Amino acid sequence: EAGVTQFPSHSVIEKGQTVTLRCDPISGHDNLYWYRRVMGKEIKFLLHFVKESKQDESGMPNNRFLAERTGGTYSTLKVQPAELEDSGVYFCASSPAPGRGHGYTFGSGTRLTVV
Amino acid sequence: QQQVKQSPQSLIVQKGGISIINCAYENTAFDYFPWYQQFPGKGPALLIAIRPDVSEKKEGRFTISFNKSAKQFSLHIMDSQPGDSATYFCAASNAGGTSYGKLTFGQGTILTVHP
Repeated sequence: EAGVTQFPSHSVIEKGQTVTLRCDPISGHDNLYWYRRVMGKEIKFLLHFVKESKQDESGMPNNRFLAERTGGTYSTLKVQPAELEDSGVYFCASSPAPGRGHGYTFGSGTRLTVV
Repeated sequence: QQQVKQSPQSLIVQKGGISIINCAYENTAFDYFPWYQQFPGKGPALLIAIRPDVSEKKEGRFTISFNKSAKQFSLHIMDSQPGDSATYFCAASNAGGTSYGKLTFGQGTILTVHP
């Protein structure tokens, strides 16, 4: 079974530019989550999709962040325009059911650096 | 406001020793407490988890101790091995409302096991 795939693995962009991160969940997993870890701090929840619908987006920092999940398959997270404080590692996770962490599979993350 | 506090930030243990990582939480609605292990360049992977109706759970060399009244839980790694060197995250979640499936993480502990 293929795991959760994220790309790019690394991205370095200038402040003010736009970046789009992509996550391909495990096939058949309806639940998709985005998290972010700023260096040295905790991994923070951003949002949760159930199929193509946003179930919970309470962790999205501001309106510069836009997440989509077209057709309930892969998801994208766009940051526009990027700011320095957006730097961090963005993780995607998927699960077949919202099992409170059990059954979660995380991707390897995208390390975003805004300079 | 950080809802799950983890300590220490880093830990160095000799091979064969016991590694202990502690976490404390604030939200009494949390009812699921997983620990994740993360190797460099990889995403977090579920290691072991506990629910608050038990005080201890053991899987191989890994044990979670849970103290509901103190709102604390800890991970014990017995006979620590160099291959255990990784970052460990405690987390918590609850089944309520739209937050179902959302994880709240601690800051992480970098464990180094010297041979």
